[in-house]
Parts: sequence; C-alpha cells; structure tokens
Amino acid sequence: EPEVTQTPSHQVTQMGQEVILRCVPISNHLYFYWYRQILGQKVEFLVSFYNNEISEKSEIFDDQFSVERPDGSNFTLKIRSTKLEDSAMYFCASRRGGGRNFGDTQYFGPGTRLTVL
Amino acid sequence: AQTVTQSQPEMSVQEAETVTLSCTYDTSENNYYLFWYKQPPSRQMILVIRQEAYKQQNATENRFSVNFQKAAKSFSLKISDSQLGDTAMYFCAFMNYGQNFVFGPGTRLSVLP
Repeated sequence: EPEVTQTPSHQVTQMGQEVILRCVPISNHLYFYWYRQILGQKVEFLVSFYNNEISEKSEIFDDQFSVERPDGSNFTLKIRSTKLEDSAMYFCASRRGGGRNFGDTQYFGPGTRLTVL
Repeated sequence: AQTVTQSQPEMSVQEAETVTLSCTYDTSENNYYLFWYKQPPSRQMILVIRQEAYKQQNATENRFSVNFQKAAKSFSLKISDSQLGDTAMYFCAFMNYGQNFVFGPGTRLSVLP
C-alpha cells in the first residue's frame, strides 16, 4: 500500500540554523500539508499546498517558513532560522482530492522529530 | 472558525472491555468530514475511522464504530473488545470542504491487562 514518507526521522540543529524537512507524498495525490505537534500538545496545521502554490497557511507559518515542491515527488518544509520553540514533531500529509472527493482522507507520514538546541 | 473539543484528557479500560471516547465540534457548515486518528507511542498518525456528515449511518470499522449526532455536533468513538495495541493517543479531527484538518487536543487511552 502506498504511503507518505518523511526524512529524516530525527533532526537536531542549533538555534539560528536552517533546516529542510523532506516528504514524499503518495504519488497520485494532489494536496499536500504540513502539521506540527509540540510534545504533549495537539496537532496544529501549518500550511496546505496545491497546484504548486500555497492554498492556506496558519498564523504559525510566518516568514521563517517556506514550502516547495522542487520536483514531481518531493515536498519540503524549510525553516530559515530555527528557534527553540520550533522543536516539535513535523508531519507531512497528502490527499488525493479532486471532484466530489474533497473530504477524502489525509494520509500522514511518520513525522520528523526536530530538536533545536 | 471550527473548533474540536475532546473533554477526556485520559481514559483507561480493561482489555476486552468497551470504551467510548467523546468529541464535540463547532461549525456553521453543513457538509464536512470527521475523523478519528490514533497516535501510538511511535507518534505516527494512523487513520481509525471517518464519517461523512451527509450520511446518517454511523461508520464502522471492525471493532471501531462512531456515534455521530449531527444536530448535537457530537462524534464519539467506541472501541469494542479493547486490545493492548489500542493503547495510544486518539485525536478527533474535522475537515471542511477544501480546508485543512482541525484537531482536538486528544485523549490518552490506556488499555490495561
């Protein structure tokens, strides 16, 4: 069964450094998402991406964040200058979408644990 | 804006027993989807069950079923014959047309041997 993959599984970085989190969505999916989950808290929406552009973003997704689909398979989240409070689990998700299937399921990747020191 | 509430931060159940996790949500929309996701200690998000708001019939997936009360904006999850592997954090989620998910704060379920 196809699945969303994410790399790396764990990233440790120093405050102020740039990090890129990578995701490979399911191949025939059209909608892509990034969520984050600070330890012990709920999952929060960051950004959605469709047709090579951001379709929606939350207040969390400020100028330090950017997303890109550099090729036909990868979907990346970049944090330009990491802060301590960026430490969290970051989940990528994708859904097929299209037509009446607006509610079809988002499939989540296993997550990348980001630790900012 | 939509909100999702899970009023039970933690619950426990004996193995083989039945447990119900509650979820309420707030929306002015008529068409939407509701989901339950399971997050085991590995922290992966795993879909448990989904419900389409325009369907009156409650969704069922093996030992998992929901009680969807649209008028009351309630979407509870029932786990029958609980197994040790059901121990996890459970998140209720709401999705409107073309929107991202809104997650509840989660309920930590422990299945006791």
